[in-house]
Amino acid sequence: GENVEQHPSTLSVQEGDSAVIKCTYSDSASNYFPWYKQELGKRPQLIIDIRSNVGEKKDQRIAVTLNKTAKHFSLHITETQPEDSAVYFCAASRVTGGFKTIFGAGTRLFVKA
Amino acid sequence: NAGVTQTPKFQVLKTGQSMTLQCAQDMNHNSMYWYRQDPGMGLRLIYYSASEGTTDKGEVPNGYNVSRLNKREFSLRLESAAPSQTSVYFCASERLAPHTGELFFGEGSRLTVL
Repeated sequence: GENVEQHPSTLSVQEGDSAVIKCTYSDSASNYFPWYKQELGKRPQLIIDIRSNVGEKKDQRIAVTLNKTAKHFSLHITETQPEDSAVYFCAASRVTGGFKTIFGAGTRLFVKA
Repeated sequence: NAGVTQTPKFQVLKTGQSMTLQCAQDMNHNSMYWYRQDPGMGLRLIYYSASEGTTDKGEVPNGYNVSRLNKREFSLRLESAAPSQTSVYFCASERLAPHTGELFFGEGSRLTVL
């Protein structure tokens, strides 16, 4: 089955700096790679996703990159702000609905003001 | 729309007791999931249901059973609770095409087994 590894487990940056979180997956058939943000005591919520037919996707200060050959994908947050402090999860699945989504262990991001 | 609703939000059990976590979604999604979240271990899939009438094991199914009662509802049952099942449980449903894949989570159910 699918296995998703996520690094680092904790990341501390200064406000305004960039943050990068990296994930690897094992199932070459996976074709959908979402990222979720979970604030303290809240439910996870999707912030950005990428499908296997795309190498990069950007949404304002966040971007994701995908290297299918190496089975790597990454989340990049630029100009970090204190409200970016949260736990971030990467995930992988085979999508056309109904395939199990497997998550990485999460990265706790601290943005220091 | 309420989205994904889970009950109860908090529960304390003694070892050996049984309980059922309830989950309902009103978004007409086909697929539903149960995850548990433990510190440092992320979200681990317990069971999922691709459609009404089907269920499949995830990464950590031992000690749990599920029922997909209808399209809206997916329940998780602990028959004989153990302290290792102390966790936060999240139910989720999956968005349909053309944006298939996004999971919508409930607020979570915090379970403590003494």
